[in-house]
Amino acid sequence: GNSVTQMEGPVTLSEEAFLTINCTYTATGYPSLFWYVQYPGEGLQLLLKATKADDKGSNKGFEATYRKETTSFHLEKGSVQVSDSAVYFCALRGDYGGSQGNLIFGKGTKLSVKP
Amino acid sequence: DSGVTQTPKHLITATGQRVTLRCSPRSGDLSVYWYQQSLDQGLQFLIQYYNGEERAKGNILERFSAQQFPDLHSELNLSSLELGDSALYFCASSLQERRDTIYFGEGSWLTVV
Repeated sequence: GNSVTQMEGPVTLSEEAFLTINCTYTATGYPSLFWYVQYPGEGLQLLLKATKADDKGSNKGFEATYRKETTSFHLEKGSVQVSDSAVYFCALRGDYGGSQGNLIFGKGTKLSVKP
Repeated sequence: DSGVTQTPKHLITATGQRVTLRCSPRSGDLSVYWYQQSLDQGLQFLIQYYNGEERAKGNILERFSAQQFPDLHSELNLSSLELGDSALYFCASSLQERRDTIYFGEGSWLTVV
């Protein structure tokens, strides 16, 4: 079945450092890919998405490119801020199959950014 | 603000009890999803409804049930509660059944004591 694997945290960076959180997936067909973010004590917010191969999603300085050849959707940001401290979830939504409607999440990566 | 509204935000109840969590989807969204987030299990998909009909089931226990009403709001009923049911329960909604973006509410924190 479909699955998502993302790098385990926690990840601790200094302010203005470069961020990469790796995410790979297993899916049949052509899923849509998402990154969600959960700030402390809050719900899940959509950060960015890509719906087809080679699409680049971007938002708030974060970027991720849908790479079908490597089945990856790595999250990057050139210069992180303390306010980026949160848990980041990679997710996919399949395009066919019995459970195609729901999101399948990775385990989440906790990011802490120190001033 | 995603537009998905969940009540209550926090709930403390005793083992063996029953609770109902309520969700109002974003205006116009037809599909509703329920997820459970716990420390040991991560984010688990429970169930999806589309325009009042059940569309997909995930790891939902038999003690749990849900429904989507004609006005599209949804309720998740949790009964015979156990300590292990303590978790953050998210409702989410989307316009379509597949592929488009799913938006999440802020969740309902359930603590079973």
